[in-house]
Amino acid sequence: EPEVTQTPSHQVTQMGQEVILRCVPISNHLYFYWYRQILGQKVEFLVSFYNNEISEKSEIFDDQFSVERPDGSNFTLKIRSTKLEDSAMYFCACGPEDRVIDTQYFGPGTRLTVL
Amino acid sequence: DAKTTQPPSMDCAEGRAANLPCNHSTISGNEYVYWYRQIHSQGPQYIIHGLKNNETNEMASLIITEDRKSSTLILPHATLRDTAVYYCIVGLTGTASKLTFGTGTRLQVTL
Repeated sequence: EPEVTQTPSHQVTQMGQEVILRCVPISNHLYFYWYRQILGQKVEFLVSFYNNEISEKSEIFDDQFSVERPDGSNFTLKIRSTKLEDSAMYFCACGPEDRVIDTQYFGPGTRLTVL
Repeated sequence: DAKTTQPPSMDCAEGRAANLPCNHSTISGNEYVYWYRQIHSQGPQYIIHGLKNNETNEMASLIITEDRKSSTLILPHATLRDTAVYYCIVGLTGTASKLTFGTGTRLQVTL
C-alpha cells in the first residue's frame, strides 16, 4: 500500500537556525498538508497546498514558515529561524484528487527538537 | 466545522468490542463524520467516515444516529494494537479543508 514518507525522523537544531523538513507524498495525490503536534497536545493544522499554492494556513504559519514543492515528488516545510516553541512532531499529509471524501494520509512525522 | 465531544479515555478487554461515542449536536446537513486514530506518536490514520447511513469497512463500523447528533465507532474485536487515541472529526467533504483535531478518546486495550 502506498505511504507517505518523511525525512529526517528526528532533527535537532539550535535556536535561530533554519530547518527543512521533507515529505514524499503518495504519488498522484494533489492535496498536501502540514500539521504539528507539540508533546502532549493536540494535532494542529499548519498549512494546505494545492496546485502549487497555499490554499489555507493557520495563524501558527507565520512569516517564519514556508512550503514548497520543488519537484514532482517532494513537499517541504521550511522554518527560517527556529524558536524553542517550534519543538514538536511535524506531520505531512496528502489527499487524492478525487475529493469525494476528505481522507488524508499522514506520514510518520519528523520530531523537531530546538535547543 | 461542528464541534465534537468525546470521553477522554476508555478501557476495553482484548477480543471484546470497543464502542467509542462522539457527540456532534451542531452538525450541519452536508457535514460528514470522520474517524481517525493516532497510535502512540505516529501520524494519524484514517479509519472510516459517514454521512447518514451506518458504514462498515475492514477496520471498523460507524453507527450514526438518525438525527445525526451523535455517532459510535465500533471496533468489533479489539486487539492490543488498537490501543490509540481516537478522534471524531466533523467536516465538509470535497473542500480539501484542514482536519481539526480535538483531544479524542484514549482507548486502552488490555489483556
